[in-house]
Amino acid sequence: QQQVRQSSQSLTVWEGETAILNCSYENSAFDYFPWYQQFPGEGPALLIAIRSVSDKKEDGRFTIFFNKREKNLSLHIKDSQPGDSATYFCAASARAGGYKVVFGSGTRLLVSP
Amino acid sequence: SVLLYQKPNRDICQSGTSLKIQCVADSQVVSMFWYQQFQEQSLMLMATANEGSEATYESGFTKDKFPISRPNLTFSTLTVNNARPGDSSIYFCSSRRGGQDTQYFGPGTRLLVL
Repeated sequence: QQQVRQSSQSLTVWEGETAILNCSYENSAFDYFPWYQQFPGEGPALLIAIRSVSDKKEDGRFTIFFNKREKNLSLHIKDSQPGDSATYFCAASARAGGYKVVFGSGTRLLVSP
Repeated sequence: SVLLYQKPNRDICQSGTSLKIQCVADSQVVSMFWYQQFQEQSLMLMATANEGSEATYESGFTKDKFPISRPNLTFSTLTVNNARPGDSSIYFCSSRRGGQDTQYFGPGTRLLVL
């Protein structure tokens, strides 16, 4: 059973559009939800993260919307740029679980100029 | 944040041999984790190495196959014993500071087993 699920394997948007990446989770104990960005040949880099006590987190062009009741969240990338083309992993962890991070399957984003 | 360095960047080895991957943090960290990523797939947690305790392994990963050492607060090694072609993947270390949820990742070690 996949604990963290990303509904889209890939997503293509035009430059300047808002890319929306969706994620859902199973375990109610998860209390921290980071999104990682990974370029080919590199390690995952933390992009933005939210705690379960919040419903929104914004950092520049990146915003997480979080719905605890529905157990889902989404990453919005405003004004998408070709340089945003990468794989985005939704992840989750729980302090009660020893901070172990569970990754979703990833969404490959392509921003076309 | 925490900067992590991994050595080697990549390696090619023959089936049946063992190889060691090193991970160094630029500051002391409480926990170090090791992940495996197959091409075009997600990251799978292999094991957790906390300060002062034996590493704990996730389902599907064993101490005999993937022994992990954590000799101090900035260093960890992952060994791949009796390497097989199915072990060909990218291995990442990550770390977490005390009191923080965020994990930071190293650049990865690309392993090819022939």
